[in-house]
Amino acid sequence: GENVEQHPSTLSVQEGDSAVIKCTYSDSASNYFPWYKQELGKGPQLIIDIRSNVGEKKDQRIAVTLNKTAKHFSLHITETQPEDSAVYFCAASIIGNQFYFGTGTSLTVIP
Amino acid sequence: DGGITQSPKYLFRKEGQNVTLSCEQNLNHDAMYWYRQDPGQGLRLIYYSQIVNDFQKGDIAEGYSVSREKKESFPLTVTSAQKNPTAFYLCASSTGRSYEQYFGPGTRLTVT
Repeated sequence: GENVEQHPSTLSVQEGDSAVIKCTYSDSASNYFPWYKQELGKGPQLIIDIRSNVGEKKDQRIAVTLNKTAKHFSLHITETQPEDSAVYFCAASIIGNQFYFGTGTSLTVIP
Repeated sequence: DGGITQSPKYLFRKEGQNVTLSCEQNLNHDAMYWYRQDPGQGLRLIYYSQIVNDFQKGDIAEGYSVSREKKESFPLTVTSAQKNPTAFYLCASSTGRSYEQYFGPGTRLTVT
């Protein structure tokens, strides 16, 4: 099955700086890569996703890049704010099939 | 107000007791999922159902059971056979043919 690795496990940045979280996957057939944000005691919320037919996608301060050849994808958050502090999870799947999640990155934005 | 509801938010049980976690959705989604989340780990799939009256085991189904009698509901029973049941349980749903999965708020189960 698919194996998703996520790094780093913890990340601290100063408010206004950028944060980057990286994931690798093993199954070259995977073609859908969502990112979720989970606040303490709550369920994960989808924040951005990318399909294998594109290399980059942006939504305001959040962007995701995908390198299919290297089998890795990254989440980029610019101009970080304290409310960005949360745990972020990446996932990989073949569309319509099971999601495989990374182990999460705890992001702390220091005011 | 559409969404996924899970109840209760916190649940406490004694070891050896079965317990059922509720998951309801009014999004008209075909597929529903149950995940388990432990500290420092990603989400692991317990069971999923793509249509009513049908469900499949995920990666960690041992000690759990589910039913899907209605499209809106996908309850999870944690049986006494589950060796380490204390965890945060998350229910999710999707249209089945699309990509996104949407999650409920979760139930934290503590078994002592």
